[in-house]
Amino acid sequence: DAGVIQSPRHEVTEMGQEVTLRCKPISGHDYLFWYRQTMMRGLELLIYFNNNVPIDDSGMPEDRFSAKMPNASFSTLKIQPSEPRDSAVYFCASSLRQGGEKLFFGSGTQLSVL
Amino acid sequence: AQRVTQPEKLLSVFKGAPVELKCNYSYSGSPELFWYVQYSRQRLQLLLRHISRESIKGFTADLNKGETSFHLKKPFAQEEDSAMYYCALRGTGGFKTIFGAGTRLFVKA
Repeated sequence: DAGVIQSPRHEVTEMGQEVTLRCKPISGHDYLFWYRQTMMRGLELLIYFNNNVPIDDSGMPEDRFSAKMPNASFSTLKIQPSEPRDSAVYFCASSLRQGGEKLFFGSGTQLSVL
Repeated sequence: AQRVTQPEKLLSVFKGAPVELKCNYSYSGSPELFWYVQYSRQRLQLLLRHISRESIKGFTADLNKGETSFHLKKPFAQEEDSAMYYCALRGTGGFKTIFGAGTRLFVKA
């Protein structure tokens, strides 16, 4: 198993552009999380899903951010329009409720908004 | 409200010295506490969890409900322990897992 797969690994874009980050969780996992990592604030939970349904999106910064999980094997995090302060590493993680509940993280997407 | 506080952004110790990474939490019930570690060029991964009461790579962490703390300790630090450490909390009744700001541990030779 390749683990949680995120794409792209790096994204450089200009302010105002739409950015889409992608995540493929581990097969069979029923929870999926999106986190944002910055030097100042560490790891912030943005949103998490259970069985493809968003459970808690209280960490989503503002309306410019949206996340979807159309099926059990795919999720996207979209920023539209992007701003320089969105620059961060975005992590996706998945978990199995019956599997000890630990989170398995992807490699992250390094986003730079110029 | 759930909150995890790691007061030190950077901790630097000499090889062989004891190390303690502090973690305090705020939660009204009985949470589950975890330590995750991110080594250079590796994925963030679970180090240990309080319910297991285990020692991983020489690290231990005891949940102190009175002080609402879950400090990570190791009696003799090694250079390979240099990494970013995150304390995490999951509340009861759900799966929401929040993290502290992280502490970068640097073990000097």
